[in-house]
Formats: sequence, structure tokens, C-alpha cells
Amino acid sequence: DTGVSQDPRHKITKRGQNVTFRCDPISEHNRLYWYRQTLGQGPEFLTYFQNEAQLEKSRLLSDRFSAERPKGSFSTLEIQRTEQGDSAMYLCASSLAALGRETQYFGPGTRLLVL
Amino acid sequence: QKEVEQDPGPLSVPEGAIVSLNCTYSNSAFQYFMWYRQYSRKGPELLMYTYSSGNKEDGRFTAQVDKSSKYISLFIRDSQPSDSATYLCAMKGGNKLVFGAGTILRVKS
Repeated sequence: DTGVSQDPRHKITKRGQNVTFRCDPISEHNRLYWYRQTLGQGPEFLTYFQNEAQLEKSRLLSDRFSAERPKGSFSTLEIQRTEQGDSAMYLCASSLAALGRETQYFGPGTRLLVL
Repeated sequence: QKEVEQDPGPLSVPEGAIVSLNCTYSNSAFQYFMWYRQYSRKGPELLMYTYSSGNKEDGRFTAQVDKSSKYISLFIRDSQPSDSATYLCAMKGGNKLVFGAGTILRVKS
């Protein structure tokens, strides 16, 4: 079990550029979540997938953000026309949905800095 | 008002002390309660998961939930310098987790 992995771990970009992050969940997990964490705050939910279907999106997810999970395996999060306010840690989590209890396991995160 | 309130600290204690971390919440729909530990520049790591009111113990860690008061706690016994981290409470009522802001804990040797 290699856990949740994310790539890249760090990204520095200039305002207005597009960036894409990748998340590889734990292999048998059917749910995948994206969260954003800013300094001094807890993670905030952005969106989640069950298999390849995107089932919920937060109002935090502006139209500059898009997420995909083709074939229900890895997921990508793209931010278009980045703004300085997008600077944050982007966390991915995965889980095996079952009746009742569900545990989300987090990856190490991608730290984004927009200059 | 935030759905989950957590004192950000920092909380500084000597090695061996008992640590008490707390969160309050406002949403009665929350059914599951978790504590995550996050080291600097790392992802959150699950420590404790509870469902019902009452206590749950795992080694040096005890999680306590009081649904009537909308209050949860995490106790750490015999604290160690390696426990120095940010502790995040998290709650789940639907599919997403709602986190507190995290409490920074520093255990001095």
C-alpha cells in the first residue's frame, strides 16, 4: 500500500498561467476528494468523485477550476488563469465508500505559489 | 460563524504533560468526528475516528464526543516532543469533511 500520492509537490507559477495537479489514490478506493488549505486554516472541501463521476462541487470551485477523474483512477485538478489568491496547499484524499463509516486518507499535498 | 470552531493556539506544554484539544460545532447533522495530525508541510494523518457520544481510546490518545453540547475533545497522555504538530478536528455529515482551523501543539523536552 503506497498511500495517496500527489504530483508535483511544489509549483511556482506566474499570475495568469494555467497549472495542473495530479492525484493517485489508494488503488481500491472508489472516492477521491480535493481540498484546499491556506496558512493557518484547516482544509476546505472543493470537490469529490465517486469512481469517474463528479458528484459534488463547492462554491469555492470557481469556473477557473476544473477536475477530472477519467476511468475512476487518478484525478487531475486544473486551475486556469491563476490568481495570487489561488496560492495554497491543494490536498487530495481517497476513501472506500461503504455504508456508514468512511475514512479519508490524505496525500502529501501540492503547494502552489502564484507570483 | 464557522461551522467548526477550534482554538488555533499555539499550545505549549512540557514533555509528559496531558494535553487537551477541543472543538465546538454548530451543525447537528454532523455524525462522524475525526482528529487528524498534520506535521509542517505534510498532509493530514488520521488519528482518531468516532461516531457516537462517549470516549474512544487508542494508546496515548482518547477522543471524546458530546453531541448534546456539540463539543469534541482529544486528550494526549504522556505527551512527547514528536507529538508537536497541528491537530485538526474534522466532522462529517454528508460526504465532505468540515475541518476546524487546527491547534498548533508544541511539546518541549
